[in-house]
Amino acid sequence: NAGVMQNPRHLVRRRGQEARLRCSPMKGHSHVYWYRQLPEEGLKFMVYLQKENIIDESGMPKERFSAEFPKEGPSILRIQQVVRGDSAAYFCASSPRADYTEAFFGQGTRLTVV
Amino acid sequence: DAKTTQPPSMDCAEGRAANLPCNHSTISGNEYVYWYRQIHSQGPQYIIHGLKNNETNEMASLIITEDRKSSTLILPHATLRDTAVYYCIVRERTSGTYKYIFGTGTRLKVLA
Repeated sequence: NAGVMQNPRHLVRRRGQEARLRCSPMKGHSHVYWYRQLPEEGLKFMVYLQKENIIDESGMPKERFSAEFPKEGPSILRIQQVVRGDSAAYFCASSPRADYTEAFFGQGTRLTVV
Repeated sequence: DAKTTQPPSMDCAEGRAANLPCNHSTISGNEYVYWYRQIHSQGPQYIIHGLKNNETNEMASLIITEDRKSSTLILPHATLRDTAVYYCIVRERTSGTYKYIFGTGTRLKVLA
């Protein structure tokens, strides 16, 4: 059973471009969490999704950021018109249900905006 | 905001026990305490969790005080590979959903 897969592992975008980050949860997991980690800081919660539904997006910036988790395929975190301040590591985690004992994290996508 | 506070850094000699403290004085009765660690900016790795009772697994032990306002993660025989940032987390429940709110963690350095 493969772990949580994130791709790409590294992504470079110019200011103003769009970034699309993908997260394939573990098999059988229908709950996905996205986190952002700025350099030398802890992980900040962004959004929690179940299949086809956004459950909690209290940590998402109000503009330029969106997330989806379609019925088929990976979860996508989309950042439009990227700025230098978006440079960070983005991690996703998955679990089979909301009250499961642990969440399993992927290795992250490191976004660099130049 | 995170419900936990941890010392920013600690050192431990290789082979000795590493005791990492965590304060969570505002924890609610049904909220679990979780510990994760992050090695070299990799994805966080689950270590252990508990509610009231002390817990032990192959990686570590978790000691929770009787009033549940603090806990200690114990790595019984620290190795160089245990050098990492350790996060103590209270898993929050909001409207029937759960999420993990990370604090700033403790940077543990295991010294040879």
